[in-house]
Amino acid sequence: QKEVEQNSGPLSVPEGAIASLNCTYSDRGSQSFFWYRQYSGKSPELIMFIYSNGDKEDGRFTAQLNKASQYVSLLIRDSQPSDSATYLCAVNIRNSGNTPLVFGKGTRLSVIA
Amino acid sequence: DADVTQTPRNRITKTGKRIMLECSQTKGHDRMYWYRQDPGLGLRLIYYSFDVKDINKGEISDGYSVSRQAQAKFSLSLESAIPNQTALYFCATSDSHSYQETQYFGPGTRLLVL
Repeated sequence: QKEVEQNSGPLSVPEGAIASLNCTYSDRGSQSFFWYRQYSGKSPELIMFIYSNGDKEDGRFTAQLNKASQYVSLLIRDSQPSDSATYLCAVNIRNSGNTPLVFGKGTRLSVIA
Repeated sequence: DADVTQTPRNRITKTGKRIMLECSQTKGHDRMYWYRQDPGLGLRLIYYSFDVKDINKGEISDGYSVSRQAQAKFSLSLESAIPNQTALYFCATSDSHSYQETQYFGPGTRLLVL
């Protein structure tokens, strides 16, 4: 069973702080890793993806990947109330052939003004 | 214009009725997916299609069927709707020729079964 685990939250951070969201996955064959943001009642939208160990930065967002420890994280710097949403981690297990992305259940983030 | 569209956006139906949710995309992607989302349960995969002749069951396919009419169209049917199929339904697409194979989601259909 290929699993992607996230803490459901809610994770509450004050405005301007760094929010740290974590995700672990079970399959070592995992190749690509995605972070989606979903506002209540809306569809998931891609924030960023990462496939190499280390950090990848895009504006206020940084994705961190550690394949040896099987975790991927998302840091949000200078958190804003508009960042309050559910963040979904998704994993592409390319080695197993034609398999859709596996999604975690998401972490709800609340940024307090 | 949206790349992935879903119709209808909202639907109220009664138990036992057959309904169809439709998804169209202009992204030129070969792969399409149907998910449902319930509070606290995350996204759950219903069916997916890797090309027009390929249909696969997801983790919760019972009570649903799909049709891939063309590369750009993927429909989800509830043959006999029941109240526990009340949920938010999303269609998504991806491009198998892309290494990352990012999935792109439609706006969703909110379904209420009475």
